[in-house]
Amino acid sequence: GEQVEQLPSILRVQEGSSASINCTYENSASNYFPWYKQEPGENPKLIIDIRSNMERKQTQGLIVLLDKKAKRFSLHITDTQPGDSAMYFCAASGATNTGKLTFGDGTVLTVKP
Amino acid sequence: EAAVTQSPRSKVAVTGGKVTLSCHQTNNHDYMYWYRQDTGHGLRLIHYSYVADSTEKGDIPDGYKASRPSQENFSLILELASLSQTAVYFCASRGTGGMDTQYFGPGTRLLVL
Repeated sequence: GEQVEQLPSILRVQEGSSASINCTYENSASNYFPWYKQEPGENPKLIIDIRSNMERKQTQGLIVLLDKKAKRFSLHITDTQPGDSAMYFCAASGATNTGKLTFGDGTVLTVKP
Repeated sequence: EAAVTQSPRSKVAVTGGKVTLSCHQTNNHDYMYWYRQDTGHGLRLIHYSYVADSTEKGDIPDGYKASRPSQENFSLILELASLSQTAVYFCASRGTGGMDTQYFGPGTRLLVL
């Protein structure tokens, strides 16, 4: 199977600064890496994803980087706002067509005004 | 965005009782998944299905059964509920043909006493 490690588990940043979350995976055949944001009492919502044929993807203040050699991927939130405070999960999906996702344990991000 | 609904939204069950959680999607997606989330942790895959009348085991299937009577509906069954199955359960669906995104339902909060 796949194992995904996510760090840090808790992250506190000042409003306007950047926040970075890092994930590592074990299965070199994994080819799809989504990031989800989950607010308290809500379901996880996809915020950005990257496939193994890319190294970098950016959308609306979010940047995701993928280093396949190191089996590492990361999420960078630029110019953080209090509304960015939430739980963030990384996940990895293997090479099969099943789409099975293995999730990290999450990062609680708090953006201080 | 893809629509996935779950029922009930919350349930209290007794140890040893039978519990059925239901999921319905209206997006014509082939794949459906059941995950559980324990407080402060990531999601873990219980069962999934890629076609009606067929289900597959995920990473933590013990103590759970699944049923996919139609493309739109996917149920999770706890034949003998146990305290350790107290968690939030999320259903998700995904299309095929390069569409990797999993769309999550609102979740069912299950408390086993």
